[in-house]
Amino acid sequence: GQNIDQPTEMTATEGAIVQINCTYQTSGFNGLFWYQQHAGEAPTFLSYNVLDGLEEKGRFSSFLSRSKGYSYLLLKELQMKDSASYLCAVLDSNYQLIWGAGTKLIIKP
Amino acid sequence: ETGVTQTPRHLVMGMTNKKSLKCEQHLGHNAMYWYKQSAKKPLELMFVYSLEERVENNSVPSRFSPECPNSSHLFLHLHTLQPEDSALYLCASSQALAGGADTQYFGPGTRLTVL
Repeated sequence: GQNIDQPTEMTATEGAIVQINCTYQTSGFNGLFWYQQHAGEAPTFLSYNVLDGLEEKGRFSSFLSRSKGYSYLLLKELQMKDSASYLCAVLDSNYQLIWGAGTKLIIKP
Repeated sequence: ETGVTQTPRHLVMGMTNKKSLKCEQHLGHNAMYWYKQSAKKPLELMFVYSLEERVENNSVPSRFSPECPNSSHLFLHLHTLQPEDSALYLCASSQALAGGADTQYFGPGTRLTVL
């Protein structure tokens, strides 16, 4: 079966750096998405990786290793507003999005 | 901000009621989706429409009935629901026809509670 694994919950301190990991086992691969979802709000697009390597976008970076079935989202200079759930999703060979259960990130002052 | 709106935002209904959820996208997209989001579970894809035609139905119970009258509007008609159907129902749209590697844009969801 197809599976996306990410930690259920993480805690970090304001101003620090946090890395949220995502491992996947899917039938084929056509890219990996990261979304941010604040409580009670819509998931919003953060990044899309289809090639190996690191993509940087401001305070957020996303890394992909297709050979390892692994990605991470790196958040720098954490702010209180970064408290949210972070969803990892993989496009399989049929271009269907397979979703992880999300990682709830708690930022403490 | 996302250009996808959903109404109502909250809905409480009895098991014998009939209600409808509405989604509208203002982005000129060609594909629209219904998802179910339950606590601590992955998003579950329910229905996909591409150019107003349903292209995917992931074995969703018949008590959920989608309708896509045009490429901007999507409805989810609900009847004789069960308490386990209580969840956040999210609508999304994407530019590409369903089956492409394209970003999906989500609405804020309808929080449904079935009593």
